Formats: sequence, C-alpha cells, structure tokens
Amino acid sequence: DTEVTQTPKHLVMGMTNKKSLKCEQHMGHRAMYWYKQKAKKPPELMFVYSYEKLSINESVPSRFSPECPNSSLLNLHLHALQPEDSALYLCASSQPTSGANEQFFGPGTRLTVL
Amino acid sequence: QQQVKQSPQSLIVQKGGISIINCAYENTAFDYFPWYQQFPGKGPALLIAIRPDVSEKKEGRFTISFNKSAKQFSLHIMDSQPGDSATYFCAATFKNQGGKLIFGQGTELSVKP
Repeated sequence: DTEVTQTPKHLVMGMTNKKSLKCEQHMGHRAMYWYKQKAKKPPELMFVYSYEKLSINESVPSRFSPECPNSSLLNLHLHALQPEDSALYLCASSQPTSGANEQFFGPGTRLTVL
Repeated sequence: QQQVKQSPQSLIVQKGGISIINCAYENTAFDYFPWYQQFPGKGPALLIAIRPDVSEKKEGRFTISFNKSAKQFSLHIMDSQPGDSATYFCAATFKNQGGKLIFGQGTELSVKP
C-alpha cells in the first residue's frame, strides 16, 4: 500500500470553529509532514514529525496544532482560523533514514475559512 | 542560498513535442533533487529524482539532466501528451535537513492536442 489518505476532502469552517484534519499512511514510514499550499504556489512546510516526535515547526501560528497519535496517523487541529488560512492542506510521509527523502503526498484537504 | 529557482512559469507544447523545465540552486550541500507532478485538486506525486553523482536519469518519457558545476538540473518530457498537462515542481534537499524539501515555484505545463 503506497497511499497516504486524508480526510475530509473538503472543509468549510467559520473563524470561531474547531475542526481537525486527519492523515493516515500504512507504508511503515516514520516521518510525517503537514504542508499548506495556496493556488499556483509550491507547498509550504508547516510541521515535521519524526518517530512520532515533532522535529520541525516552521513558525506556524498556534491556531494550528499538530498531533501524531501513532506512527500511522497525523492530525492537524484547527482553531480560530482566519480567511487567509484557506488553502489546500497536504500530508506527506517518508522514511526518515532513507537519505533519499522520497516524500509521498496525500490528496489534500481543501479548507475554506469564512 | 536555500532557494531553488524554476523556469519557465508556464509552458505550452504541442502533442509529441519535448517539454523542458529548468531549475537552478545555490546550496552545494543539496544532495537529492526530486521532481513532483501535480494535477489540479490533487496532491503532488513524485515523478523522478536524481542525486548529484549522476548526470542523467531516465524513466520512460521523463529524463532528468543534472549539471553539478553549473548547479542546474532540468526535466525533459519526451513525446509530450495532453495527459502530461499539470504543474511540475522541482525540489532539493540534503541529509540533516530533517526532511525539509526546498521547492521551486512551479511550472504549469499545457500540452495541446
């Protein structure tokens, strides 16, 4: 299974809502990533988990809160978002020790903040 | 020094033609250079990748050419097809980056029938 799955596919939320994005992989990868992608732009790294521990936080606002419950799952908890946070949120996974850093991306969650 | 510069921003090619996308980097510590293909509404998919100890890598109709001295690498798509129409991102990274990929700005490729 070489797939990264993400739910939901689409999410619309108000600025006072709390919601979560979910990501799952069954490739045995021990590194997982959250990216944010705006239209016609490259993905921007937000967080990296390596062996279920947060290893990189790219100075992301605290209204985004990542969680890695186990080696297969990655969540992104959202609270008090702004309209400018509307974007495609991508999850990816890789083997942290491969050296090649072949990252496999999920299909993304299209988030709209009203 | 962490940037990867990609050109052109957009490219229109006739069916059967060769599509060429170029990337340049400054950081000589980079040791892994992947290309990603992204269709609208989908996540990026790893297409092909190269290490700097190799000057060329070919997989089917896709070829990466790598020029270490010039710090440039390029993607060639031979016999381009309408189904290749997508956005292509080059990227670079190195060990001890913690998995951080440095992406180029992307090239929107349109292959006309």
